[in-house]
Amino acid sequence: SYELTQPPSVSVSPGQTARITCSGDALPKKYAYWYQQKSGQAPVLVIYEDSKRPSGIPERFSGSSSGTMATLTISGAQVEDEADYYCYSTDSSGNHRGVFGGGTKLTVL
Amino acid sequence: EVQLVESGGGLVQPGGSLRLSCAASGFTFSSYWMSWVRQAPGKGLEWVANIKQDGSEKYYVDSVKGRFTISRDNAKNSLYLQMNSLRAEDTAVYYCARDGDYGDPVVDYWGQGTLVTVSS
Repeated sequence: SYELTQPPSVSVSPGQTARITCSGDALPKKYAYWYQQKSGQAPVLVIYEDSKRPSGIPERFSGSSSGTMATLTISGAQVEDEADYYCYSTDSSGNHRGVFGGGTKLTVL
Repeated sequence: EVQLVESGGGLVQPGGSLRLSCAASGFTFSSYWMSWVRQAPGKGLEWVANIKQDGSEKYYVDSVKGRFTISRDNAKNSLYLQMNSLRAEDTAVYYCARDGDYGDPVVDYWGQGTLVTVSS
């Protein structure tokens, strides 16, 4: 089965740039999406189709993808950005199945 | 306002069955793919299954194939997940979710989740 790999944790100080990576063999052909999940809450989509930002998501959130790796970048991370972040993509076999990465805990302190 | 309200979670013994329901409102239910996503306690998100607008296509994660069945009733604006032969590793919060207009099956709205606990 298809897998997406993320680092378990990333830590930055407030105002620094946080980068969270996601690797997957199908990412050269499939879009990556990113969700933010704060403790006790449902996830929120922060990046879609590799690099697009939904309305209402701050400009400090950006995404990119190159080869088998997608990256979520938070420029000038703030304390309120502390959360779990999940990359997401679709099965490479052409069906309509989804897959999440294992998640990355972002600590901002 | 889009609302997704799950029900049907609870405690069930290994090998047992449970049916989750999701009541949708605030959007044209019959126009969207719908999904179930789960999250085990303290663990990450896991995509479980989704279903096309008219129910003609259904997809499952390998670990639930043959045990879980996703279905929908567009007349009742409702999504279902029939779970049979439950295992301890199925213990999780199950989220009902709407797939947005992205081309890919990508969730844009989530319910609050319902907890399923499989234990003797």
